[in-house]
Amino acid sequence: DQQVKQNSPSLSVQEGRISILNCDYTNSMFDYFLWYKKYPAEGPTFLISISSIKDKNEDGRFTVFLNKSAKHLSLHIVPSQPGDSAVYFCAASATKKSSGDKLTFGTGTRLAVRP
Amino acid sequence: KAGVTQTPRYLIKTRGQQVTLSCSPISGHRSVSWYQQTPGQGLQFLFEYFSETQRNKGNFPGRFSGRQFSNSRSEMNVSTLELGDSALYLCASRQQASYNEQFFGPGTRLTVL
Repeated sequence: DQQVKQNSPSLSVQEGRISILNCDYTNSMFDYFLWYKKYPAEGPTFLISISSIKDKNEDGRFTVFLNKSAKHLSLHIVPSQPGDSAVYFCAASATKKSSGDKLTFGTGTRLAVRP
Repeated sequence: KAGVTQTPRYLIKTRGQQVTLSCSPISGHRSVSWYQQTPGQGLQFLFEYFSETQRNKGNFPGRFSGRQFSNSRSEMNVSTLELGDSALYLCASRQQASYNEQFFGPGTRLTVL
């Protein structure tokens, strides 16, 4: 039962354009969402997060949008750079559950930014 | 501040053997979580330890176990290895169990032959 889904296994965009990575979730208890970036042979690194009390969070070139009614979030990278090429994981957490705030990850989207 | 370290980085074992992986969290971090990453499955949560107690557990068989020491270092053990256990095992630490941001180590690549 995949509670966090990233339906696009890969995405290719031109340098300078916008990258949009999507994530859907099914568990209505999730109230905190994170994006991680992973390069080969390295562990995932935290990128940006959003609480369910917000619908948008921005950090430099990275913006995360949350649509609670659709149980959907997206990560926008503008402008995309070749160094952004990596696998991006969406993760969700149910912070109000006393032992439930483990992170549930999606399967990842491989982003390739073409020079 | 040093990051999360995992040893060994690479490991080759045969079916039926057991393996122990080690994780040293960031200094001051008391929570350690373990994940299994396989192609197409993303990161699957194994368990989390906080102050030497298992706080949360994923849906893995009892062959997968772990523990945490008083210095917050953690070990993960897999007994009776199966071919399907071949994966990247990632450890992540956070300061408190209530903090959402986790910091990951580079992982241990386990290959079971």
